[in-house]
Amino acid sequence: NAGVMQNPRHLVRRRGQEARLRCSPMKGHSHVYWYRQLPEEGLKFMVYLQKENIIDESGMPKERFSAEFPKEGPSILRIQQVVRGDSAAYFCASSEGQIGETQYFGPGTRLLVL
Amino acid sequence: EDQVTQSPEALRLQEGESSSLNCSYTVSGLRGLFWYRQDPGKGPEFLFTLYSAGEEKEKERLKATLTKKESFLHITAPKPEDSATYLCAVQRAQKLVFGQGTRLTINP
Repeated sequence: NAGVMQNPRHLVRRRGQEARLRCSPMKGHSHVYWYRQLPEEGLKFMVYLQKENIIDESGMPKERFSAEFPKEGPSILRIQQVVRGDSAAYFCASSEGQIGETQYFGPGTRLLVL
Repeated sequence: EDQVTQSPEALRLQEGESSSLNCSYTVSGLRGLFWYRQDPGKGPEFLFTLYSAGEEKEKERLKATLTKKESFLHITAPKPEDSATYLCAVQRAQKLVFGQGTRLTINP
């Protein structure tokens, strides 16, 4: 049973470019979460999605960041016009249900903005 | 505001030297407390979920306990392969609120 998959594992972008991070949840999981881990900081919640719906984006920066989880295909976290402060590890997690259910994490995408 | 504080920040032990990691939390409406292990360059790996005060769970050399205000991760006779950062998180609604982690090093 494959776990949560994320790609790419490493991504280098220059300031002003766009970054697209992809996440495929575990088989049978319909709930996806994105977290960000800045250098020397803890994991911070960004957004929670179900198929075709954003349920909670309270942790997402208001500008430049967007997320989607289409009916078919992986969840996408999109960062437009990246800045150096966006350099971080971005982790996706998935769960079978929501409240009280264990969230299983992927290996992460490490974004470096030059 | 929901808050999770882990202590110590870092801990060095000799192989076989047992100890405990602490996770103090304040959250309204706790839905679950989670322990994860994170190795460098990897994603958090799930260890335990605790739901109510008094609950305990064990896995190999690890045992997690929960009170109304804190959780402990006890490690018994650790081995070098137990070296990792251990993360504690509380669930508020559907999101996890993480502590800063305890970086554990086990010397052979």
